Amino acid sequence: QVQLQESGPGLVKPSETLSLTCTVSGGSITTYYWSWVRQPAGKEPEWIGRIFSSGNTNYSPSLKSRVTISLDTSKTQLSLKLSSVTAADTAVYYCARDCGGSGSVWGQGTTVIVSS
Amino acid sequence: EILLTQSPVTLSLSPGEGATLSCRASQSVGGFLAWYQQKPGQAPRLLIYDTSNRATGVPARFSGSGSGTDFTLTISSLEPEDFAVYYCQQRGDWPLTFGGGTRVDIK
Repeated sequence: QVQLQESGPGLVKPSETLSLTCTVSGGSITTYYWSWVRQPAGKEPEWIGRIFSSGNTNYSPSLKSRVTISLDTSKTQLSLKLSSVTAADTAVYYCARDCGGSGSVWGQGTTVIVSS
Repeated sequence: EILLTQSPVTLSLSPGEGATLSCRASQSVGGFLAWYQQKPGQAPRLLIYDTSNRATGVPARFSGSGSGTDFTLTISSLEPEDFAVYYCQQRGDWPLTFGGGTRVDIK
């Protein structure tokens, strides 16, 4: 059974780049598409973007200028980079496979706080 | 961007009662509408995908219906573990979007 595990720094300084990794186990990373989703405390989830196994990406228009999502098939990992972070980027960050589809699987999430 | 509006914001019910949650989209999502349940400190759990398909392991008391821009999640008889926040999400067009949520709490 496929499992997803997010990892990365829990604290990032304002104006720096947030970098997270999602490790996929128990399944192939070359099928489905893979998304990053974040959720500020007490608010609804927000989709950040996705990457297909081909390497094609789609990003949320509101974050597009600051986001990069990549896939490392040899390590079965996907990564998220979000530049120039502010306090508004504080949230729980999730990686998800096939977000909302029949193959949907989510990680447990990792909390990122932006603070000096 | 497709906007999803959920109603009501809060639903106060007793165990054993039925619940009807609504999700309205600003334009057609082509049937690609999902429902999630979320409890405090947990990731969202997929309940329904593509309007009416139950995800693996989801009890039969959960059902989804709708088409076009109007969708409904029905819980036939609330169990104690069903009191949570529910979100709808569309993948008919990107950016994928989520509704603002409906909290189902104990009356």
